[in-house]
Amino acid sequence: EDKVVQSPLSLVVHEGDTVTLNCSYEVTNFRSLLWYKQEKKAPTFLFMLTSSGIEKKSGRLSSILDKKELFSILNITATQTGDSAVYLCAVSHKIIFGKGTRLHILP
Amino acid sequence: NAGVTQTPKFRVLKTGQSMTLLCAQDMNHEYMYWYRQDPGMGLRLIHYSVGEGTTAKGEVPDGYNVSRLKKQNFLLGLESAAPSQTSVYFCASSYHTGRGGQPQHFGDGTRLSIL
Repeated sequence: EDKVVQSPLSLVVHEGDTVTLNCSYEVTNFRSLLWYKQEKKAPTFLFMLTSSGIEKKSGRLSSILDKKELFSILNITATQTGDSAVYLCAVSHKIIFGKGTRLHILP
Repeated sequence: NAGVTQTPKFRVLKTGQSMTLLCAQDMNHEYMYWYRQDPGMGLRLIHYSVGEGTTAKGEVPDGYNVSRLKKQNFLLGLESAAPSQTSVYFCASSYHTGRGGQPQHFGDGTRLSIL
């Protein structure tokens, strides 16, 4: 059975800390892994990863994929209160989402 | 820029009633999707469409029907609503290049309560 598992499910840190969110998967016919940020409403796209070992970076956020060990990490450095959200990981070809990591940044 | 628009935003139904949720996108995307999001369950795919006139079942299709008569619209129907269908419903759309999954653009969701 295809599955995507995110950890931790919930995380509380102080502003300025660095966090690492994990996403592991077991799926047939893997095409890509995508990260989304969900605040109050619609998830918004962060990264799409298709190749192992190539880091994608956007400001303080970065992500990398390991297709041998079947996982990805999302790093956020120097966290800010605006980073508080649910972070979702999804894997295609059949689009399967993990349950998300709820991140709360304390001022 | 409208992107993906869902209507209505909120709805309360009684058990057994029917309704249709409408999703419209103005990005000329081939693929469209309907998800439900329940607390602690993440997003689960109900149905999806790879093009006008085609639909396919996702992970949790039972109790729902869909139609894609026009490329820009994707309708989700509940023929006989049940309390278990109380959820937040998200529509999404994406391009398909044939080389793998593409980022999805999501609507703001429809909060549906079945009494």
